[in-house]
Amino acid sequence: GQNIDQPTEMTATEGAIVQINCTYQTSGFNGLFWYQQHAGEAPTFLSYNVLDGLEEKGRFSSFLSRSKGYSYLLLKELQMKDSASYLCAVRVEGYQLTFGKGTKLSVIP
Amino acid sequence: NAGVMQNPRHLVRRRGQEARLRCSPMKGHSHVYWYRQLPEEGLKFMVYLQKENIIDESGMPKERFSAEFPKEGPSILRIQQVVRGDSAAYFCASSPDGAEQYFGPGTRLTVT
Repeated sequence: GQNIDQPTEMTATEGAIVQINCTYQTSGFNGLFWYQQHAGEAPTFLSYNVLDGLEEKGRFSSFLSRSKGYSYLLLKELQMKDSASYLCAVRVEGYQLTFGKGTKLSVIP
Repeated sequence: NAGVMQNPRHLVRRRGQEARLRCSPMKGHSHVYWYRQLPEEGLKFMVYLQKENIIDESGMPKERFSAEFPKEGPSILRIQQVVRGDSAAYFCASSPDGAEQYFGPGTRLTVT
């Protein structure tokens, strides 16, 4: 089966940096995605990694190591509006995404 | 360009009734995916459709659930004879090429 693990909850302080880890064991790999989901809303796309290394996009960066089955999402200069769930998803084969359960991030003043 | 639209946003059905969930993809997108999210669970893939074709329904329960994406009109996810365990948020995503997926706001189904 497919297994994607990420921490259930994290808390960080406004203005700080937080790293959300994701490990995966899947039967195939065709890309890793990070989505942000505020409570009661749609997931919104943050990043996509298919090759090893770091992808930077403003305050958000995502890293991938395919040999280790590992990714992280880095959020800098945290803002209160960053309080949300962050979903790690792997495209195993075809085009369907397999999601982890999400990490609920709480940003405190 | 409007985003992915889903309706209704909230749907309440009694056990045994039918639920119909609609998804209008973004303009120019011909790939549609349906996912289900149970409370405290991750999103689970259900079905992948292109216009008039079901490409992958490996995540769809074998009974009571069906999906279509007709040539004209929205994609429909249909649940017959709903049971309490069907209560969940159902998300639709669309894509122009099968790669990056854009999600709609979801339909929250409650079965009483």
